[in-house]
Amino acid sequence: AQSVTQPDIHITVSEGASLELRCNYSYGATPYLFWYVQSPGQGLQLLLKYFSGDTLVQGIKGFEAEFKRSQSSFNLRKPSVHWSDAAEYFCAVGALSGGGADGLTFGKGTHLIIQP
Amino acid sequence: EAQVTQNPRYLITVTGKKLTVTCSQNMNHEYMSWYRQDPGLGLRQIYYSMNVEVTDKGDVPEGYKVSRKEKRNFPLILESPSPNQTSLYFCASSLNGANYGYTFGSGTRLTVV
Repeated sequence: AQSVTQPDIHITVSEGASLELRCNYSYGATPYLFWYVQSPGQGLQLLLKYFSGDTLVQGIKGFEAEFKRSQSSFNLRKPSVHWSDAAEYFCAVGALSGGGADGLTFGKGTHLIIQP
Repeated sequence: EAQVTQNPRYLITVTGKKLTVTCSQNMNHEYMSWYRQDPGLGLRQIYYSMNVEVTDKGDVPEGYKVSRKEKRNFPLILESPSPNQTSLYFCASSLNGANYGYTFGSGTRLTVV
């Protein structure tokens, strides 16, 4: 069974500083990988996804993530954070099978705090 | 606007009183899913549906029912709610499977007393 680990429960970053959120996954084949963001009181919004090809993936809101198979990681990055980036971030891995899709497995989330 | 709409946003109910949380999407998506979100446990899938009349259990289906009579609607039914079902619930839809990425609704915060 697939699993996702987000090692950092909370991260505090100063506004304008760079950001990296860590995600490690366990899956027996090439995974489908996602990052979602949840702002307070809102549902989850898809930031970016990786299926295959270029291991550096660009997403919305200036985020990017890099798939590293050797490290089973899919870390999310942003060069300069804004106060509006304060939110909960979820990494997720999807099953590769098509017809028998069992949905996503989510990590437990990383709460991002932005200091002025 | 493409969206997933859940109702109600907030609900307080008593133990044992049947309730339904509605979910509707306007994107003609085939896949729909229900998740619950709890502190420290993250998001866990309750049920999902690959198409009309096709549903299957997720990780935590006990105490819940779903139906998919129309492509756009995927209601979540709690026949006899209990306090351990107090949670934040999300409906989500996808064009053709979770691997394409889900569009989530805004959530329903349910309290069972």
